[in-house]
Amino acid sequence: EAQVTQNPRYLITVTGKKLTVTCSQNMNHEYMSWYRQDPGLGLRQIYYSMNVEVTDKGDVPEGYKVSRKEKRNFPLILESPSPNQTSLYFCASSHRQGTGNTIYFGEGSWLTVV
Amino acid sequence: QKEVEQDPGPLSVPEGAIVSLNCTYSNSAFQYFMWYRQYSRKGPELLMYTYSSGNKEDGRFTAQVDKSSKYISLFIRDSQPSDSATYLCAMSENAGNMLTFGGGTRLMVKP
Repeated sequence: EAQVTQNPRYLITVTGKKLTVTCSQNMNHEYMSWYRQDPGLGLRQIYYSMNVEVTDKGDVPEGYKVSRKEKRNFPLILESPSPNQTSLYFCASSHRQGTGNTIYFGEGSWLTVV
Repeated sequence: QKEVEQDPGPLSVPEGAIVSLNCTYSNSAFQYFMWYRQYSRKGPELLMYTYSSGNKEDGRFTAQVDKSSKYISLFIRDSQPSDSATYLCAMSENAGNMLTFGGGTRLMVKP
């Protein structure tokens, strides 16, 4: 079954404590990305990766890092989380040449920073 | 002004009603238009995908794009309680993966 798997699904953490949200896909997709979803703002792209070792900033990259050492994994790193990073995060993947109709989303990670 | 505007709702309709969901946008370079459905605590799933202007129908769903007015719509016929979800429009300039999303409209279909 085609899947994008995120962990953890729910997390409460404190300001400044580094955390990593993992993302893994089993479809051999080249393209992976991270979004955050906030009420009334839809999904905003944080970072994306066109392939292994190739990453670039999206619309709201401040406070986040990513890495793409393997094709299937694309972790999102918050080095020093702050309360304004409290949000719902989605990982997505697709083939590099795909259009919107081939993007698969994970089930989301609810992050609360206190 | 946001690049893609979408009425947040909530929109509440009785079962069987025709639902109209809309987005307006400002970037005339958008060519690819999508509608995603998102159930509570789930990731978005693609409902409809259209290229340029025109209509596309899939079962009870019809997507319309009017590029001259920078306006897209999703119609749901014979709405069902299972259609209750948040609907997100998304669009992109080229056949890639850089999507710009609207804020989403929450729809509630009451039995």
